[in-house]
Amino acid sequence: NAGVTQTPKFQVLKTGQSMTLQCAQDMNHEYMSWYRQDPGMGLRLIHYSVGAGITDQGEVPNGYNVSRSTTEDFPLRLLSAAPSQTSVYFCATGLREQYFGPGTRLTVT
Amino acid sequence: DQQVKQNSPSLSVQEGRISILNCDYTNSMFDYFLWYKKYPAEGPTFLISISSIKDKNEDGRFTVFLNKSAKHLSLHIVPSQPGDSAVYFCAANTGNQFYFGTGTSLTVIP
Repeated sequence: NAGVTQTPKFQVLKTGQSMTLQCAQDMNHEYMSWYRQDPGMGLRLIHYSVGAGITDQGEVPNGYNVSRSTTEDFPLRLLSAAPSQTSVYFCATGLREQYFGPGTRLTVT
Repeated sequence: DQQVKQNSPSLSVQEGRISILNCDYTNSMFDYFLWYKKYPAEGPTFLISISSIKDKNEDGRFTVFLNKSAKHLSLHIVPSQPGDSAVYFCAANTGNQFYFGTGTSLTVIP
């Protein structure tokens, strides 16, 4: 029982490149979400999903895309990376008591 | 605009004493509140929560108090232990959205 896993742990991108951050859970939760954590800003919700095939925007969705084809997986896509997207990204599952993955530290140069 | 605020970036407490972490919110639609603990290079872990229909919830050394009229919640840790040293985030929920505070770094001094 791995809980919530995220890959990669670290990533460096050049401006304009695209990439996908992976998130997988084995807790059978319908609700999954993505956050970014920046210094002095706490965690901010990017996108969330209430079940396979259903996604919605959070507080800071611009520049990110998500899809949910299975209950287990909720990938986050950066379409054209910008330095402002340098951050630590966390995936979480569960609606009331969320369980977080270990995070992905992304640097965009 | 920040809907959940933690105005104290840091707090130091002696081992065995009480730690009180505070959180304020602005949105009266929030109906569920949570506290998370975070160690460096790890994801946040859930600590304790409270529904808006309650004013207190206790779990071992951790107690959360909610004052809806003041839009204020607090986390009490008694007694504080060195292993409690971490960053604590409060969060508020309405519908499918969560809003987090900026965190308070707690240091428990042995």
